[in-house]
Amino acid sequence: DIVMTQSPLSLPVILGEPATISCRSSQSLLRENGYNYLDWYLQKPGQSPHILIYLGSNRASGVPDRFSGSGSGTDFTLKISRVEAEDVGVYYCMQGLETPFTFGPGTKVEIK
Amino acid sequence: HVQLLESGPGLVQPSETLSLTCAVSGDSIGTEYYWAWIRQPPGKGLEWIGSVHSSGNTFYNPSLRSQVTMTIDTSKSQISLKLTDVTAADTAVYYCSRHEIVAASHGFDTWGQGALVTVSS
Repeated sequence: DIVMTQSPLSLPVILGEPATISCRSSQSLLRENGYNYLDWYLQKPGQSPHILIYLGSNRASGVPDRFSGSGSGTDFTLKISRVEAEDVGVYYCMQGLETPFTFGPGTKVEIK
Repeated sequence: HVQLLESGPGLVQPSETLSLTCAVSGDSIGTEYYWAWIRQPPGKGLEWIGSVHSSGNTFYNPSLRSQVTMTIDTSKSQISLKLTDVTAADTAVYYCSRHEIVAASHGFDTWGQGALVTVSS
């Protein structure tokens, strides 16, 4: 199985300030077609997860442009340019390259 | 837009079979998606259980393969999950979701609200 790790696991943030979450996979998620099979999900308190970023850097429909994804191969980053109160929750990266699909442990973002 | 709604017993006895259904509304099940089950133990992270296509093709997590059966009923627009011989470790919120089968998949783009299943006597 592909193992996903994230850092930090807890991230206190200041409203209006940027935030960065890192995700690493145990093997490359870059396929021959040029796509990185890495998604980012946010689970707000008491809610189901929802997708933010797919294929490493593509914002899902309706996701604010303050969210951006980057990286390739085994190292990926999710950036929030200016944190808003509604961004609190747990962020998960997930590899979709091969089954079993596997998630990172999650990064809990809270307002400092 | 498509909506998913999980349903089933909230309490299951140890060694019994957990059975859940996911009702799809707002769109047909179609052929361009796989339909997945993902679970989350209380206070913990997410675990992909498996995915099923309307053709009947399935992919299961090897860690659960001996316990899991997923089926799809296109006439009822429902996806079902059965997990046999459950233990307390199977206590979790079970989510239904979907993902495309194309190379440029948009990830798990729709999720149900989740169904909490507790395994206890």
